Amino acid sequence: AQTVTQSQPEMSVQEAETVTLSCTYDTSESNYYLFWYKQPPSRQMILVIRQEAYKQQNATENRFSVNFQKAAKSFSLKISDSQLGDTAMYFCAFGLGSQGNLIFGKGTKLSVKP
Amino acid sequence: DAGVIQSPRHEVTEMGQEVTLRCKPISGHDYLFWYRQTMMRGLELLIYFNNNVPIDDSGMPEDRFSAKMPNASFSTLKIQPSEPRDSAVYFCASSYFNRGYGTGELFFGEGSRLTVL
Repeated sequence: AQTVTQSQPEMSVQEAETVTLSCTYDTSESNYYLFWYKQPPSRQMILVIRQEAYKQQNATENRFSVNFQKAAKSFSLKISDSQLGDTAMYFCAFGLGSQGNLIFGKGTKLSVKP
Repeated sequence: DAGVIQSPRHEVTEMGQEVTLRCKPISGHDYLFWYRQTMMRGLELLIYFNNNVPIDDSGMPEDRFSAKMPNASFSTLKIQPSEPRDSAVYFCASSYFNRGYGTGELFFGEGSRLTVL
């Protein structure tokens, strides 16, 4: 069975600085997908970034980038130039392309301070 | 294009009452999921459907919970009778199967916050 672990329940960062959120996962599969979702106080789950396991290049979306280490089963999220609007819960998720569901970590609560 | 639509957004009910949560997935999506979010357990998958057929309901807590998907544009999650420990946010999500990479990201609704007194 696959598991996803986020070891940082809470983090804080000053506005304009960079922060990295950690995620590790466990699987015996070789083809899978990894995601970071953001949940602001509004409760809406918003996709931040996705990574296909077969791609060696790390995904990037504007200020958000990942460090995908397949051998180490690590998938961290880096947020550059943090903004107040980045304050939210961040969830790491794992999925197999052959199945529909995603398995989520417990989340990291990120606070961006002015 | 409209996203996943859930109703009600908030529900407060008394223990023992029946609760029905509703979901309309994104048109064209062939997967539908029900997740429950609590502080203690995080996001848990309750059940998911593919082409209106339940695929995995192993996450449904007990017989008090049931889910249906009578057609491609509507699903319900029912709790009968409700208990205080069912208080949580219930999310519906949908996705689609791509021949190139299978299923991918989930598109979530805004969630239904249930409080059982």
